Amino acid sequence: SQQGEEDPQALSIQEGENATMNCSYKTSINNLQWYRQNSGRGLVHLILIRSNEREKHSGRLRVTLDTSKKSSSLLITASRAADTASYFCVNAGGTSYGKLTFGQGTILTVHP
Amino acid sequence: DTGVSQDPRHKITKRGQNVTFRCDPISEHNRLYWYRQTLGQGPEFLTYFQNEAQLEKSRLLSDRFSAERPKGSFSTLEIQRTEQGDSAMYLCASNSGGRGTEAFFGQGTRLTVV
Repeated sequence: SQQGEEDPQALSIQEGENATMNCSYKTSINNLQWYRQNSGRGLVHLILIRSNEREKHSGRLRVTLDTSKKSSSLLITASRAADTASYFCVNAGGTSYGKLTFGQGTILTVHP
Repeated sequence: DTGVSQDPRHKITKRGQNVTFRCDPISEHNRLYWYRQTLGQGPEFLTYFQNEAQLEKSRLLSDRFSAERPKGSFSTLEIQRTEQGDSAMYLCASNSGGRGTEAFFGQGTRLTVV
C-alpha cells in the first residue's frame, strides 16, 4: 500500500507552540504532499516535497523528507487556533497519473 | 469562483433509493477524481478520469456505483439501491499537469442513508 501513516493520531497544543506531525510510507514516492482539512475550507493542499528534496518551507510550515527511512514530518511553527484541523500526508507516486493515497491523518487542536 | 464545485452539498435518502451527485472541476483540469470519506478516516480513492475516460476504479466501487464524465468536463457519481453503509462524504478533486501534482478538492456531498 502507498498509504501514509500519520503519527500522532491526535495532538493538542496551546496557541503559539509548535506542532510536529510525522508520516511514514511504504512504497517509493514521486513526491509527498500534505493536506489540511477543516469544516470551514474543506480539504486544502498545503505543501509538496519532491523525492529529491530534503526540506521545504512555506510560511510557518516546514516539511522534511527522509527517503531512506520512508518518512516525512510537518512542522507548524507559532500555531494559531485557526490551524485546528486534520492533517494528511499523501503519497502521490504510485501510478502514472499520481493517484493520491491518504492516511488516517493527525487531528490537531490548538487551544487559544 | 473557479474552484471545484459539488452539488448537492447534503443529501438525505431512504435506503434503496438511487442518488446522483455532480462535480464541476476547475475548467482547465483534465484529471478528475472521486473519493469517499467516513468519520475519522482519510479520504479513500474511488475512481479516476482523464478527460472522458475512466481509467481506474477502486475495488471499493461496487456494481451499485457508476461514474461518468461524458464530455470531459463535469462528472456524475450515481449510487443505486443505497445502503446505510453508503453514508459518507463524497469528495471530488481535479488537477492537471505532471504526475502527482497538487489536487484541488470540492467541499463534498454529505450523503445520509436512513
